[in-house]
Amino acid sequence: NAGVMQNPRHLVRRRGQEARLRCSPMKGHSHVYWYRQLPEEGLKFMVYLQKENIIDESGMPKERFSAEFPKEGPSILRIQQVVRGDSAAYFCASSLQGGSTDTQYFGPGTRLTVL
Amino acid sequence: AQKITQTQPGMFVQEKEAVTLDCTYDTSDQSYGLFWYKQPSSGEMIFLIYQGSYDEQNATEGRYSLNFQKARKSANLVISASQLGDSAMYFCAMREGDTDKLIFGTGTRLQVFP
Repeated sequence: NAGVMQNPRHLVRRRGQEARLRCSPMKGHSHVYWYRQLPEEGLKFMVYLQKENIIDESGMPKERFSAEFPKEGPSILRIQQVVRGDSAAYFCASSLQGGSTDTQYFGPGTRLTVL
Repeated sequence: AQKITQTQPGMFVQEKEAVTLDCTYDTSDQSYGLFWYKQPSSGEMIFLIYQGSYDEQNATEGRYSLNFQKARKSANLVISASQLGDSAMYFCAMREGDTDKLIFGTGTRLQVFP
């Protein structure tokens, strides 16, 4: 499977726990993006990363959320001390070059449910 | 100001007919990209078609074509010969010149009936 991989597909956490979402980009892609989709809404940009660098985190909440894309391994979106409002689908996308004309390919998403 | 507007929350089309899903956008950049994605009930986001702001020809990909009217800032998706499997949410998105993030519309739910 050469597509964008995300795991887990479904994640259930209790309030106050930590959620870790993983994303492996398509082979050869070094640009990773995270989006959040609330029920019945479109996707909202959260953060854009290249290997070992955060390029744009303008969509990330200031507290409890962090993201990384290490030199080796998948990109991780971490949500600390989750609250019910964090329940959403989190999508990762990757692209080859970045830039306005480059297509972003999405993974299947992780559906986070906070009890 | 909303950057991407999809005014049709839901659309119905009969199998084998064509359907147009509307999308208008707002940007002051000269260089931008427009994208359409399909989200079936299973939830994944599937890339369908791309149109660059400098492309003179309308983009086509199989049964999908993009009716790009730059002066009107519209980028409507046309699906020809609809199939039952086309039933899904469809999102229009834009990526502006010097940013890398996609801005999505609120989506249109398409239902194809036999």
